[in-house]
Amino acid sequence: DAEITQSPRHKITETGRQVTLACHQTWNHNNMFWYRQDLGHGLRLIHYSYGVQDTNKGEVSDGYSVSRSNTEDLPLTLESAASSQTSVYFCASSDGQGANYEQFFGPGTRLTVL
Amino acid sequence: AQSVTQLGSHVSVSEGALVLLRCNYSSSVPPYLFWYVQYPNQGLQLLLKYTSAATLVKGINGFEAEFKKSETSFHLTKPSAHMSDAAEYFCAVSRGDSSYKLIFGSGTRLLVRP
Repeated sequence: DAEITQSPRHKITETGRQVTLACHQTWNHNNMFWYRQDLGHGLRLIHYSYGVQDTNKGEVSDGYSVSRSNTEDLPLTLESAASSQTSVYFCASSDGQGANYEQFFGPGTRLTVL
Repeated sequence: AQSVTQLGSHVSVSEGALVLLRCNYSSSVPPYLFWYVQYPNQGLQLLLKYTSAATLVKGINGFEAEFKKSETSFHLTKPSAHMSDAAEYFCAVSRGDSSYKLIFGSGTRLLVRP
């Protein structure tokens, strides 16, 4: 079955370190998204991509970057981790065809920045 | 710009009672609307979606939602709550054009009392 996976599921790092969170989907979807989830804020969009070599900033993109070198993967990099980036991160994908806007979510990565 | 408001960060019901979770949206164009459920330590799972067909939408696990344009609402209901319904529920809106982003509400945590 097609799926979307994230790794690691849990990560503890120190302030100032570079961290990369992996997202891999086997749906062959064009669109991929990264969100962070914080209490009281729901899900906020960090970055998104509509296809290979395409990346776009979301509403909370400062301190984060992404790259899309193939259809399946959209890694999220925190260039210099800050305590404010302690959060749960979700990756999602959608096929981007016609009126199909449903997004499929990964299980999440819990990141703690000390 | 689109936005979503979920009234009530926490809703508590007794097992067997009606579940009503409220969602109001704002959109300058006909929206596509979604309800997602998140069980503890899991990603988001689609419950149901409105894509401009029938205004009463049935989803999984006995949930349904009614799109009311005049009230800009898309409330989620279930006639009889089950203990397994305890989770966090998110309403989301998409413009339904070539922007495949979803805007999420801040979520409502449903508690089910025995």
